[in-house]
Order: sequence, then C-alpha cells, then structure tokens
Amino acid sequence: NAGVTQTPKFQVLKTGQSMTLQCAQDMNHNSMYWYRQDPGMGLRLIYYSASEGTTDKGEVPNGYNVSRLNKREFSLRLESAAPSQTSVYFCASRDQGEGGAFFGQGTRLTVV
Amino acid sequence: KQEVTQIPAALSVPEGENLVLNCSFTDSAIYNLQWFRQDPGKGLTSLLLIQSSQREQTSGRLNASLDKSSGRSTLYIAASQPGDSATYLCAVRPYSGTYKYIFGTGTRLKVLA
Repeated sequence: NAGVTQTPKFQVLKTGQSMTLQCAQDMNHNSMYWYRQDPGMGLRLIYYSASEGTTDKGEVPNGYNVSRLNKREFSLRLESAAPSQTSVYFCASRDQGEGGAFFGQGTRLTVV
Repeated sequence: KQEVTQIPAALSVPEGENLVLNCSFTDSAIYNLQWFRQDPGKGLTSLLLIQSSQREQTSGRLNASLDKSSGRSTLYIAASQPGDSATYLCAVRPYSGTYKYIFGTGTRLKVLA
C-alpha cells in the first residue's frame, strides 16, 4: 500500500517564488494535515482538513494556503516563499474515530 | 494549552540494554497518544497507539504505557539493537481541537554495537 505520498521530495526555491506541495492518501481517511519540522522546534501544525471541503488553520499558517481538492488530496501552497519557510514539510492523514495518524516521507524545502 | 515534553533529548546506550523513553503532557484530557519513530531524513513511522481508556500497548520488543492522571507515557524498548537508533517522537490528540496532534520534540537514541 502506498499510504501517504508527497511530491516533490526535495525543492529549492528563490525568495519570492511560489510553489505547491502535493499530498495524496489512498486509505480513504477523512482528516489530513500539513506539518513543518524545524530543528529544536518539533512538528508544528500549519493547516488541517477535518473532512473533504473543510480546512482550518493550525499553529503557524502565515504564508501558506491549502486546498482539499477531494477526499484523497490535500495541497499546500507557498505564494511568495521566504527563507523562514526553509523546513521539512510533512503531510499526514487519519481516519475518523480513534485511529492513529499516518505520515508521508516529507518534502525538504530550501528557500534561498 | 497542551504541551508535550520528552526527556532526555538524546540518549546513547550499549547494545542489549533495556531502555525507557519518557513523554509527559500537561493536560490529561486526551483521546489518545501515539509513539513514532523517525530515521534521519525520513518520515514518521507509527509504532504504537494508546487510547485514553488503555494502560499499555505492546508490539514485539516495544511496550508503551499511559498514565493519564499523571500526564505521562513511557516507551520501553527491550534488548536494544543498533537498528533501533532513531529519533522517537510522542504525540497526543487532545479533546479540544480534536483533529489536531501535539508533538514532543523527540528523543534521539543511539544504540552502540
């Protein structure tokens, strides 16, 4: 099973450029999440989607937008990248009820 | 506000040793707690999920316990191996904001051959 798939795996952007990180899950999960991971700060929630058609801000939403395209896909967009957005980005999904979370392999983004 | 702490931040042990990793949280109102493993440059792999009504979960050489009243969970690794070297993260899913997970900053484990 593929689980949670993120693309791309690596990306280098120049300051001010835009890009979209893609995430897809094949487990028919309702909830999907975007986290960023920075040294010494752990994982911080950027945005989440409790179900298809809904999105909500997490801890650190500034500079990002999301789209829950359908039940499978949840994308994260950086409209104007900044060096402070250099990080590793993880997408995750979870079924409703008491299920645990499943994570993708991450996207390593560098903004120069 | 829920906060999750993992101590120590790093740990080195000789192969074969039994070890305990600690996770503490400030608000006992949680649905569940999940332990993850992260290898360098990789994603998070789920190890064990403990529901709020459970006291422990076991998988192979791993055993996780949960004491909600004291805000603590431990991950016990028996007979550690060099392949266990990784960063171990715990995350809680609180009642408030039920779709969110709050993560600790992890314990970086190195098992020496």
